[in-house]
Amino acid sequence: ETGVTQTPRHLVMGMTNKKSLKCEQHLGHNAMYWYKQSAKKPLELMFVYNFKEQTENNSVPSRFSPECPNSSHLFLHLHTLQPEDSALYLCASSQRAGEREQYFGPGTRLTVT
Amino acid sequence: AQSVTQLGSHVSVSEGALVLLRCNYSSSVPPYLFWYVQYPNQGLQLLLKYTTGATLVKGINGFEAEFKKSETSFHLTKPSAHMSDAAEYFCAVSALFSGGYNKLIFGAGTRLAVHP
Repeated sequence: ETGVTQTPRHLVMGMTNKKSLKCEQHLGHNAMYWYKQSAKKPLELMFVYNFKEQTENNSVPSRFSPECPNSSHLFLHLHTLQPEDSALYLCASSQRAGEREQYFGPGTRLTVT
Repeated sequence: AQSVTQLGSHVSVSEGALVLLRCNYSSSVPPYLFWYVQYPNQGLQLLLKYTTGATLVKGINGFEAEFKKSETSFHLTKPSAHMSDAAEYFCAVSALFSGGYNKLIFGAGTRLAVHP
């Protein structure tokens, strides 16, 4: 595997379910990001991790819970989501949080029913 | 505060025609600017970037962009469109936030359609 991978690629869940999104980067980077991409809206930065420490929480509701066990892996735990949370969730990485160039994964298409 | 405006959410061109996707930015500091492309069911791929130096930047797949400070613009062009260029294109500016690190601020995107 190379670059940034995300699993699953597609996820359908009910509002009472609990699920997790996984991101893994194989680039030796130290910063990882979660973005939300909704239809007709700009990409929204959700969370930033730098050397496993969360450095940014962009006013994201608590039903989204990130976890970064090491610099290569990033999770987004989901629970009691709302239909408006349906979106493409993109993971990205960079050498460190100060780096301007980010590398993106293919995303997880989430549908909340 | 930094921001990005992409003019035209949809652009349609004929194969072989010039591609012009418009991006204007707002930044209180010298900007770093990026164009990303997103093909269907894929993540974002970096096309090109402007940091410092030469204002005409060449990227992958024959695309280029010119940084014009006086116009606060960073328009993306390609002389001759190919069917495979059909995708969504995002302009982004790098913004320095508290904590001393940079974040990318994205425009809303422009969907490019190429017809025979």
